[in-house]
Amino acid sequence: AQSVTQLGSHVSVSEGALVLLRCNYSSSVPPYLFWYVQYPNQGLQLLLKYTTGATLVKGINGFEAEFKKSETSFHLTKPSAHMSDAAEYFCAVSDLKQAGTALIFGKGTTLSVSS
Amino acid sequence: EAGVTQSPTHLIKTRGQQVTLRCSPISGHTSVYWYQQALGLGLQFLLWYDEGEERNRGNFPPRFSGRQFPNYSSELNVNALELEDSALYLCASIRGRSSYNEQFFGPGTRLTVL
Repeated sequence: AQSVTQLGSHVSVSEGALVLLRCNYSSSVPPYLFWYVQYPNQGLQLLLKYTTGATLVKGINGFEAEFKKSETSFHLTKPSAHMSDAAEYFCAVSDLKQAGTALIFGKGTTLSVSS
Repeated sequence: EAGVTQSPTHLIKTRGQQVTLRCSPISGHTSVYWYQQALGLGLQFLLWYDEGEERNRGNFPPRFSGRQFPNYSSELNVNALELEDSALYLCASIRGRSSYNEQFFGPGTRLTVL
């Protein structure tokens, strides 16, 4: 069965610093990959996704992620953190590319940004 | 375009009671997913409804059930509530069935079981 591991339940950075949130998945077949963000008391919002094609994916709010098949990773980065980036981030995979497959989520990483 | 809506926003129940949560998908979306976000457990898939039928369910007991109406809105019912059912319940809708399509999430219903 598919699984998603997010290294670090909590990441703290200073405003303007690089943001790096790690995500590894387990699958013998490359899945579809997603990053979602959840602000307090809100639902999840899609940041970016990888399906096929270019392995470097650009998303909203200056975030990007790179799919590395050899490392089974899909790490999320942002060159310069803003205070408004403080939120919980979830990496997710869609299994087996079958219709209606539910997302399998990692346990999330809380990003704190200090001034 | 209105987003996914859920009601109620908060709910407090006692053990053994029953609860119904509601979800209205984005117009034109026919598939609805339900997820449970419990503290420390992350998001867990509960149920998937498409075109009025239950198509798939996660690893949850039968006391978690639901349905989808002809207008594609959905209900999640939880019977015989247990303390560990306390969680944020999220509904998501999707256009079509493809698993690479974006799931749009509602704000959730926070259920507290005392």
